[in-house]
Amino acid sequence: NAGVTQTPKFQVLKTGQSMTLQCAQDMNHEYMSWYRQDPGMGLRLIHYSVGAGITDQGEVPNGYNVSRSTTEDFPLRLLSAAPSQTSVYFCASREDRLAGDLPLPTDTQYFGPGTRLTVL
Amino acid sequence: ELKVEQNPLFLSMQEGKNYTIYCNYSTTSDRLYWYRQDPGKSLESLFVLLSNGAVKQEGRLMASLDTKARLSTLHITAAVHDLSATYFCAVDLRGGSEKLVFGKGTKLTVNP
Repeated sequence: NAGVTQTPKFQVLKTGQSMTLQCAQDMNHEYMSWYRQDPGMGLRLIHYSVGAGITDQGEVPNGYNVSRSTTEDFPLRLLSAAPSQTSVYFCASREDRLAGDLPLPTDTQYFGPGTRLTVL
Repeated sequence: ELKVEQNPLFLSMQEGKNYTIYCNYSTTSDRLYWYRQDPGKSLESLFVLLSNGAVKQEGRLMASLDTKARLSTLHITAAVHDLSATYFCAVDLRGGSEKLVFGKGTKLTVNP
């Protein structure tokens, strides 16, 4: 298993440019999420998905879009990059077990290696 | 809104000493995670604590969870240099909200 993979590792954008951060996992996990990490701020949840075709907003979703067309892939799109989006981005996946209508996490999250994004 | 507070945020200690990192959270949750992050690296899972009174140990690290006090601790015994890293706790909101909220992290430096 490759686990959770992210590309690119580094990226520099100019303000207003758009790009997609790629994330893939080969563990057949239903739950995937995107976080950003800024100095002194811990990690903050941007968007998450509990399965293919289902996405929802996290704590800091503005300026980002996601889609989940397959279980394996969960790309994060920056529509019009801003300097405030300079950060390190981590993708994570986790196995979930459904109980009624509520998914229950049964395992920890596995994090990808991260993408370091700079917006000038 | 769930808030997660870690303290201390910075910890410098000598090899061989013991210390505890605290993680307080503001609303009910029965699921808490501890992670380690080395500089420039991703997060590595250390412990998953799933119920009140849960205690887990791995090497020189031991984590516990008190859901009534809304407190988790990460205890370091006889620290060694290799434990130098940033440690994060993260809390899962009850009710299947699927949103992990992280503390700001504790940067631990173990000096020879």
